[in-house]
Amino acid sequence: QLQLQESGPGLVKPSETLSLTCSVSGGSISSNTDYWGWIRQSPGKGLEWIGFIYYSGSAYYNPSLKSRVTISVDTSMNQFSLRLTSVTAADTAVYYCARRGTYFSDNRGHYPLDYWGQGTLVTVSS
Amino acid sequence: DIQLTQSPSFLSASVGDRVTITCRASQDISSYLGWYQQKPGKAPKLLIYGASTLHSGVPSRFSGSGSETEFTLTISSLQPEDFATYYCQQLNSSPWKFGQGTKVE
Repeated sequence: QLQLQESGPGLVKPSETLSLTCSVSGGSISSNTDYWGWIRQSPGKGLEWIGFIYYSGSAYYNPSLKSRVTISVDTSMNQFSLRLTSVTAADTAVYYCARRGTYFSDNRGHYPLDYWGQGTLVTVSS
Repeated sequence: DIQLTQSPSFLSASVGDRVTITCRASQDISSYLGWYQQKPGKAPKLLIYGASTLHSGVPSRFSGSGSETEFTLTISSLQPEDFATYYCQQLNSSPWKFGQGTKVE
């Protein structure tokens, strides 16, 4: 059973950099069919997709965050990471890591978020 | 960007009720839509992908339908464990946005 687990500081100061790591167990991050991503949820709010990365290092990001976000992958450790720079209170959220799986239906590929970490709350405050 | 609008935002229902949630996309996304269930303090769980394909292990009382711009999630007979917030997500193109959620209470 694939499992994902987020780790990192729960408190970050304004203007500093938020860094989180997602450790993957029960499967390989080097799967050639899957992407790995970050999603966040501000308190009492909805879900916001941050970005995805492939095991090769190819990544793509939500345009609204692109200038501040970097997602990287470490296949030797079977984990991937999120860096978000110049944070403000608006970046306070529960951050989830997730797998974007690959499924076929109606002769098409579909790529939903099928495995999620439990989430970690990051608060931006001085 | 493709916008998703869910309705209603809140739904009051009782055990045994048939519940329907709608998700409308701002442009044609074919069948590239997923539905998730989220309970308080927990991560979302995938229910449906491809607009209508039930994810492994999801009870058959859940079903999805629709294509292009209008989609529905139906719970045929609401169970106590189904009280939660439900989100749709478009899986057609970046940015992979979610709907604002529907809380079933």
